[in-house]
Amino acid sequence: EDQVTQSPEALRLQEGESSSLNCSYTVSGLRGLFWYRQDPGKGPEFLFTLYSAGEEKEKERLKATLTKKESFLHITAPKPEDSATYLCAGSNDYKLSFGAGTTVTVRA
Amino acid sequence: DTAVSQTPKYLVTQMGNDKSIKCEQNLGHDTMYWYKQDSKKFLKIMFSYNNKELIINETVPNRFSPKSPDKAHLNLHINSLELGDSAVYFCASSQEAGLAGEQYFGPGTRLTVT
Repeated sequence: EDQVTQSPEALRLQEGESSSLNCSYTVSGLRGLFWYRQDPGKGPEFLFTLYSAGEEKEKERLKATLTKKESFLHITAPKPEDSATYLCAGSNDYKLSFGAGTTVTVRA
Repeated sequence: DTAVSQTPKYLVTQMGNDKSIKCEQNLGHDTMYWYKQDSKKFLKIMFSYNNKELIINETVPNRFSPKSPDKAHLNLHINSLELGDSAVYFCASSQEAGLAGEQYFGPGTRLTVT
């Protein structure tokens, strides 16, 4: 069964303290691995799509990487405005499976 | 300009009632979706329409019926509401059909059934 698992569930960081979020997936015939950011009371906001192992994408302090079994979202020198829930999702032709998310809190 | 909009934002109703949630996108996308996010924050896809045609229909009770009058609108009608229907419902759209394209989400509709 297609499954996406994110860890940790919650992450508390000091401003400037870099860290990584993990997304492990078992999605047969993976077409794309997505990262979204969700702020409280809002809809998910698209961040990245990764299509093949070895691919990397960056946006400001965020960098997403993909292997054959996992994806990582690296947050470099985070700021309080990076506080949010980060969702990972894997898709094939038939289904899009989301993980439960990692809630990141960055303290000033 | 709001790319994907939903109305209402909050919906409180009693068990057994029928309600609708409306969604509109002004991105010119061909594909629209409905998702349910439960209290544990899991997002699950319910339906997907491409050019007004239903292409994905996950295991969802028949009480839920999507309707797409045109490719910019996808409404969700729910009959005989149950307590377990309480959740946040998100509409989304994407340029690509299927599930490989990036999706743009609306702000969500929080449905509370009492």
